[in-house]
Amino acid sequence: ETGVTQSPTHLIKTRGQQVTLRCSSQSGHNTVSWYQQALGQGPQFIFQYYREEENGRGNFPPRFSGLQFPNYSSELNVNALELDDSALYLCASSLGQGSVFAGELFFGEGSRLTVL
Amino acid sequence: GENVEQHPSTLSVQEGDSAVIKCTYSDSASNYFPWYKQELGKRPQLIIDIRSNVGEKKDQRIAVTLNKTAKHFSLHITETQPEDSAVYFCAASRDFGNEKLTFGTGTRLTIIP
Repeated sequence: ETGVTQSPTHLIKTRGQQVTLRCSSQSGHNTVSWYQQALGQGPQFIFQYYREEENGRGNFPPRFSGLQFPNYSSELNVNALELDDSALYLCASSLGQGSVFAGELFFGEGSRLTVL
Repeated sequence: GENVEQHPSTLSVQEGDSAVIKCTYSDSASNYFPWYKQELGKRPQLIIDIRSNVGEKKDQRIAVTLNKTAKHFSLHITETQPEDSAVYFCAASRDFGNEKLTFGTGTRLTIIP
């Protein structure tokens, strides 16, 4: 059984640029959630994808967007990067069962984004 | 939306002593409360969770208590060991297994040998 993997692990961008972060969910999982963890803070929910559809969104602007693919892997895209976007971006997968989600949330190691 | 407050932000205890971390939440509809442990540079990992229909849950040295009336829940670690040193996060959500978790700000626990 493979765990949740994210890429890249570290990256540096400048203000105004765009970034794409990738996540491969754990084998058998069909739900992917993305979280932003600023330094010294708890993770904040960005959005969730279930079977390729967005299933809930946190308090993040539209320049944060995502995709989920048929193999349940996912991408997080951030446009027009701002300095405050510097954070650890965590992807987490789980097994959703219809409208009743169940099962432990498994996190990846994260992608650390620095915006200069 | 939900707001979760966590205290203390840092906690140091002697090895073998107990540690307690407390969280309060604002949304009375929340009914699932997990705790995550995050070691330096590592991913958060679930260590224990509790649903609102249960007041207490224990797993070896770790226990969680929930007071729905007061909207607070606590993590208790007994007989602490050096490997318990990490940052601990509480979280809340409206549905068990619902991944739309609202996290607290974390407690850095240091076990002093």
